[in-house]
Amino acid sequence: NAGVTQTPKFRILKIGQSMTLQCTQDMNHNYMYWYRQDPGMGLKLIYYSVGAGITDKGEVPNGYNVSRSTTEDFPLRLELAAPSQTSVYFCASSPRSGLEGLPGNTIYFGEGSWLTVV
Amino acid sequence: TQLLEQSPQFLSIQEGENLTVYCNSSSVFSSLQWYRQEPGEGPVLLVTVVTGGEVKKLKRLTFQFGDARKDSSLHITAAQPGDTGLYLCAGPSGTYKYIFGTGTRLKVLA
Repeated sequence: NAGVTQTPKFRILKIGQSMTLQCTQDMNHNYMYWYRQDPGMGLKLIYYSVGAGITDKGEVPNGYNVSRSTTEDFPLRLELAAPSQTSVYFCASSPRSGLEGLPGNTIYFGEGSWLTVV
Repeated sequence: TQLLEQSPQFLSIQEGENLTVYCNSSSVFSSLQWYRQEPGEGPVLLVTVVTGGEVKKLKRLTFQFGDARKDSSLHITAAQPGDTGLYLCAGPSGTYKYIFGTGTRLKVLA
């Protein structure tokens, strides 16, 4: 039961470097999300997607880009990494959107990617 | 902008004690969800509450959705060390998105 798979699990980046966090889900969910979680805090939405080819900004999109070429994959790219991007990144997916199909509309999370920018 | 504020931010209690965690907003939500996150893992759904005034029980956990659908609470009876974790409330924001609360970090000491 793979669910949502993220790679890498841990990464250290130097300031100014770029990298891509990979995310894939095998549940055929249309809705996918990238969140970041700073130490001891809740989750902030970076980008989300409602289906292949459709993405939109969340609360904190600056410094990030996404693409959704397939239903399964939703990579997050960090351009010109900054110390403020040190965080834990979670990819997630759900079968339905926020307002439809309320009970049972679980958001499934990956295990997280720990990113440190030095 | 919809916001979900949780209180308290941190809670450290002895095994066997009861506790309540709150999730509040100035906005009305069509539903609210509660997730628990253990160290090194992603959040996992505990419950969804949909109807104002609704009460749901999950073993020793009792969830309540406020009558006005602006707040929710999580009550744990006789807390155990296995309840330790970060508790997050979440609600739909706009058509497609979910927003998460600020989180309550619970530590239950044996």
